[in-house]
Amino acid sequence: AQRVTQPEKLLSVFKGAPVELKCNYSYSGSPELFWYVQYSRQRLQLLLRHISRESIKGFTADLNKGETSFHLKKPFAQEEDSAMYYCALSGTAGGTSYGKLTFGQGTILTVHP
Amino acid sequence: KAGVTQTPRYLIKTRGQQVTLSCSPISGHRSVSWYQQTPGQGLQFLFEYFSETQRNKGNFPGRFSGRQFSNSRSEMNVSTLELGDSALYLCASSPQLAGVHTQYFGPGTRLTVL
Repeated sequence: AQRVTQPEKLLSVFKGAPVELKCNYSYSGSPELFWYVQYSRQRLQLLLRHISRESIKGFTADLNKGETSFHLKKPFAQEEDSAMYYCALSGTAGGTSYGKLTFGQGTILTVHP
Repeated sequence: KAGVTQTPRYLIKTRGQQVTLSCSPISGHRSVSWYQQTPGQGLQFLFEYFSETQRNKGNFPGRFSGRQFSNSRSEMNVSTLELGDSALYLCASSPQLAGVHTQYFGPGTRLTVL
C-alpha cells in the first residue's frame, strides 16, 4: 500500500520568511515523488518532481529515504506563492512510473504581505 | 500543445441517474487517469487507461467505470448516482513511455447529485 501524509492543513507565513511544507510517505518499492500546486481558480499543475532535481519558482524538495520524507522548501516566500500544495507519490516498475498518483490531503499556504 | 480538456464542466443530476464524463488528453499522450476530488477525502485515484486497456484501478465500487478510445480520448461513467458521488472529477494525461512521467491535469467536471 502507498500513503502520503501532509501533516499541516494550513500554513501561514509572512512575505520574505522561509517556508517548509512537510510531506511523509509510505511505500514498499521505489517511489517517485511530486509536488503539485493549485492556485486559485486554476487547474492542478506540477510544481516539481524528485527525479528532475530542479528548482521551480524558488522551491526545492529533497527526498530523504531514511525519513521517508519529501519536504518542500522556499527560503523567501512571496505573496503569489499562496495556493494549495499537494505532495504525490507514484509507484514504479523497471524505472517506469505507473499512471496512478497517491496524493496527500494538501496544505493551504497563505503568504501575508 | 492544447492542454487536457474535460466536458462538460458542470453537471447536475439526481440520485439514481447515470452520468458520462469526457476527457481529451494532450495530443500524443496515451495514458489517461481519473481522480475524484472531495473536501473530505481529497484526491483519490479512480482508474488509469493506456492504449484502450484499464491498467490500474482504485478502490471504488463497480458503479464507476471507464473506457478509452483509439484516439486516447477517455470517458468515465457513474451509474446509479448517490449523493456522495458529488465531487470534482479530474482527468490527467501523460505520455507514459519509459521513464517517469508527469501527469497533466484537466480543469475538472463538477458533478452535483441532488
